[in-house]
Amino acid sequence: EDQVTQSPEALRLQEGESSSLNCSYTVSGLRGLFWYRQDPGKGPEFLFTLYSAGEEKEKERLKATLTKKESFLHITAPKPEDSATYLCAVQEINYGQNFVFGPGTRLSVLP
Amino acid sequence: NAGVTQTPKFRILKIGQSMTLQCAQDMNHNYMYWYRQDPGMGLKLIYYSVGAGITDKGEVPNGYNVSRSTTEDFPLRLELAAPSQTSVYFCASSSLAASNYGYTFGSGTRLTVV
Repeated sequence: EDQVTQSPEALRLQEGESSSLNCSYTVSGLRGLFWYRQDPGKGPEFLFTLYSAGEEKEKERLKATLTKKESFLHITAPKPEDSATYLCAVQEINYGQNFVFGPGTRLSVLP
Repeated sequence: NAGVTQTPKFRILKIGQSMTLQCAQDMNHNYMYWYRQDPGMGLKLIYYSVGAGITDKGEVPNGYNVSRSTTEDFPLRLELAAPSQTSVYFCASSSLAASNYGYTFGSGTRLTVV
């Protein structure tokens, strides 16, 4: 059974304090790993797609990396506006457009 | 572009009542989905559709029904509401041609069954 776990469950950072979020996955074959950002009361918003081990994607203060078993979302010098829940999802190679989502990491960045 | 529009945003139902959650997208996406999100849990797929007239069950379909008569609309029907259906419901759409961009989500419907 495909599984996606995320750690930590919640993370509190001071503004400027860099850190990483983890997404571990178990799938029979990975088509893609997706990172989303979700603000309170809103739907998830797409951030990145990663397809193969060693791949990296960057957007502003965020960088996503991928290995064969996990993905990291690195946040460099975060700002309060980066506060949100970050979700990862995996797309299994034989399962069409269906994604399996992790429970998310709730990030708070304090000024 | 409006993207994915969900209505209503909030609803309180009594046990045993029925309702339809509306979802519409204006991006001409073939694929549409309904997910539910419960605290501390990942999004769970209820139903999905790969095109007009075609629907299929996801991971948690019991107590729900869907139809897809047009490319744009994908309503979710709750029959005989139960407290276990209290959740936030998200509709999403995607295009095979742009599959590397994942889903586009609506803003959600918060449903409480009392």
